[in-house]
Amino acid sequence: DIVMTQSPDSLAVSLGERATINCKSSQSVLYSSNNKNYLAWYQQKPGQPPKLLIYWASTRESGVPDRFTGSGSGTDFTLSISSLQAEDVAVYYCQQYYTTPYTFGQGTNLEIK
Amino acid sequence: QVQLVQSGSELKKPGASVKVSCKASGYTFTRYAMNWVRQAPGQGLEWMGWINTHTGNPTYAQGFTGRFVFSLDTSVSTAYLQISSLKADDTAVYYCARDTVITPGDLWGQGSLVTVSS
Repeated sequence: DIVMTQSPDSLAVSLGERATINCKSSQSVLYSSNNKNYLAWYQQKPGQPPKLLIYWASTRESGVPDRFTGSGSGTDFTLSISSLQAEDVAVYYCQQYYTTPYTFGQGTNLEIK
Repeated sequence: QVQLVQSGSELKKPGASVKVSCKASGYTFTRYAMNWVRQAPGQGLEWMGWINTHTGNPTYAQGFTGRFVFSLDTSVSTAYLQISSLKADDTAVYYCARDTVITPGDLWGQGSLVTVSS
């Protein structure tokens, strides 16, 4: 199985500042035939299901604010929030869908400093 | 409106069975696969497996074989998760999530809480 490891586990950032969450996979999730990284990012708020933010490592889902940016390739990925808003307080998960089982990272809890 | 609506909370005794439903609307049900994801209280997300909604063929992650069964009723655009011989550590919220191949979870159900307690 591909192991997904996020860092940090918890993060506190001031309003308006940048937040950065990292995700590392134990093997590459880059599919060579289409040059796509099969990596997604989700946001989960308390009592709600996860919400898709980013797929293919860097493609923003429709309706997601452009302050959310995904980057990286192969085994190392980053989710950046350029200017933290109060409504961004949540747990963030990465997930690889290169091969089954489609494993998730352990989650990063983002709070306001 | 494109959505997945899941069945409500369940309280079950150890050893019992439960069947969670996930009804799709607003799109062609058999066009996209369905993933199932478990979230134990205060814990992260765990991918349980998926079902091909065109063929009905299920795939289970390790740890979700034997007692867990994915099924479909395409006539009512609904996917099901049945868990038998329930144990206390099956207590969790279970989510269905649409898999478009481009993304494994662009649309999620609201979750179904299953509590196993004597």
